[in-house]
Amino acid sequence: ETGVTQSPTHLIKTRGQQVTLRCSSQSGHNTVSWYQQALGQGPQFIFQYYREEENGRGNFPPRFSGLQFPNYSSELNVNALELDDSALYLCASSAGLGQVRGYTFGSGTRLTVV
Amino acid sequence: KNEVEQSPQNLTAQEGEFITINCSYSVGISALHWLQQHPGGGIVSLFMLSSGKKKHGRLIATINIQEKHSSLHITASHPRDSAVYICAVRFLNTDKLIFGTGTRLQVFP
Repeated sequence: ETGVTQSPTHLIKTRGQQVTLRCSSQSGHNTVSWYQQALGQGPQFIFQYYREEENGRGNFPPRFSGLQFPNYSSELNVNALELDDSALYLCASSAGLGQVRGYTFGSGTRLTVV
Repeated sequence: KNEVEQSPQNLTAQEGEFITINCSYSVGISALHWLQQHPGGGIVSLFMLSSGKKKHGRLIATINIQEKHSSLHITASHPRDSAVYICAVRFLNTDKLIFGTGTRLQVFP
């Protein structure tokens, strides 16, 4: 049983650029959630995908968008990067909705915007 | 408003000490998670609770649904326990996790 894999692990981008972060969900999991964790803060919910459809979104602007593929892996895209987008981006997968279930977290992608 | 509060924010201990980290939340939940985050950033799920108490090795997690409060205890703490411990809850009628800001624990030999 594989865990959640995120790529890349580290990334440096320039303000105004676009970035794509990737997440492979754990085998058997069909739900992926993305979180942004600023330095010294707890993770903040960005959005969640269930069976290739967005299922809930946090308080993030439209320049944050996502995608989930038929194999349930997912991408997070951020356009027009701002300095405040510098953070650790975490992906978590789980099996299904509406039930008490566990999450498996990836190790995160640390994005630095300069 | 759905809120999660943790205390203390920072905690230092000598090896062997008993440690307690607390988490309080504002409204009804379907599940509460205790997570461990090491300096590299990766998060490990320690416990998922909806009632009662769970134990794994030196770690014990309890939850009181009526008081909307959970505690994570570490017995016989060790320097390798040094990490950030995060409480996260799933409130009723939502599928997203709301995280506390974490408790940074340092255990010295």
